[in-house]
Amino acid sequence: EAGVTQFPSHSVIEKGQTVTLRCDPISGHDNLYWYRRVMGKEIKFLLHFVKESKQDESGMPNNRFLAERTGGTYSTLKVQPAELEDSGVYFCASSLSAGNTEAFFGQGTRLTVV
Amino acid sequence: RKEVEQDPGPFNVPEGATVAFNCTYSNSASQSFFWYRQDCRKEPKLLMSVYSSGNEDGRFTAQLNRASQYISLLIRDSKLSDSATYLCVVKPTSGGSYIPTFGRGTSLIVHP
Repeated sequence: EAGVTQFPSHSVIEKGQTVTLRCDPISGHDNLYWYRRVMGKEIKFLLHFVKESKQDESGMPNNRFLAERTGGTYSTLKVQPAELEDSGVYFCASSLSAGNTEAFFGQGTRLTVV
Repeated sequence: RKEVEQDPGPFNVPEGATVAFNCTYSNSASQSFFWYRQDCRKEPKLLMSVYSSGNEDGRFTAQLNRASQYISLLIRDSKLSDSATYLCVVKPTSGGSYIPTFGRGTSLIVHP
């Protein structure tokens, strides 16, 4: 069974450009999370989808970040326009249910804004 | 106070040593607890869930102290391959928001 996959694995963009990150969760997992880890800091929650609906987006830094999950399958996270402080590793995770179940992580997208 | 706190370390131990990590959490609501392991430049992977009565998986033992709001991870007979960052994760199980919250992680280095 395929795990959580993220694309691209690395992205280097200039300040002001747009980048779109993609996450394909494990098939059948309704819950999809986006997290970000900035160097030296903890992994921080960005938002949570249940199927196609945003359940909680309290962690989104600002309106330059837009997440979607069309049809409740894969999700995209767009940063527009990117700023230097957006650099970090963006992880996606999925879980079967929202309760006491394991969240499986993708390998992350390392975003560098220069 | 942060929701989930861990000593970042690094803990530098020789092979065969026993090492313990603690993690404290601030939200006393109903929660579930996990230890994840993250290798350098890799994704976090579940090491073990933490049950109320404590649980063991081989060389790894996890314990929960709800009264003091901390969980612990004990690693016995450390191996070189145990070198990684260990992440404490707390997840609410009620209240409608089931967001796993991560600690900063504790770095473990096992040397020969």
